[in-house]
Amino acid sequence: QKEVEQNSGPLSVPEGAIASLNCTYSDRGSQSFFWYRQYSGKSPELIMSIYSNGDKEDGRFTAQLNKASQYVSLLIRDSQPSDSATYLCAVNRRGGANNLFFGTGTRLTVIP
Amino acid sequence: DVKVTQSSRYLVKRTGEKVFLECVQDMDHENMFWYRQDPGLGLRLIYFSYDVKMKEKGDIPEGYSVSREKKERFSLILESASTNQTSMYLCASSSDRGRHGWTEAFFGQGTRLTVV
Repeated sequence: QKEVEQNSGPLSVPEGAIASLNCTYSDRGSQSFFWYRQYSGKSPELIMSIYSNGDKEDGRFTAQLNKASQYVSLLIRDSQPSDSATYLCAVNRRGGANNLFFGTGTRLTVIP
Repeated sequence: DVKVTQSSRYLVKRTGEKVFLECVQDMDHENMFWYRQDPGLGLRLIYFSYDVKMKEKGDIPEGYSVSREKKERFSLILESASTNQTSMYLCASSSDRGRHGWTEAFFGQGTRLTVV
């Protein structure tokens, strides 16, 4: 079983719609959860971090964490063509930098 | 802002060459990483360093070595480059002093290495 699993997509949504990206993780002891955005040919950039159960909102982005279900998601409201990228979920298992695991990413395309 | 800088954006090397990839961070971070990223395989950790002169193997260390002589600099060395090491190489850094302990990883711009 992989540490972090994501649907590779591609996920296509029309401009203005809500994009929903999902991620599951295997270790119940995981403590920190991150979403990175990666444009083609570029390096990942952090867009959200979440540490507690519930929702965390930042502009058009909402991260949701459910530790009981070992599930973390990212919602993008009012999707824009500029949101087209690969989104990487990352999970830190028990603190300590060498316990950071990445999913393989979900490719999102926002159709104008 | 955190800045992680990799020495080259693109590199082309010949099979058998010794290759050095350099990474510098300016935020006094304790931890530095080298990943490679290949289509369909995601990010794979090659090596990790949590302090000067300290290193740990990641998931795919074979064919690579690293050096961390100064806190801000972490070098990846391909001892004898092979075509299967053609990839995107990403350096990252993080701190142990975040509000929740360990902080998120910040990435350099990446080095696309082609071995011919």
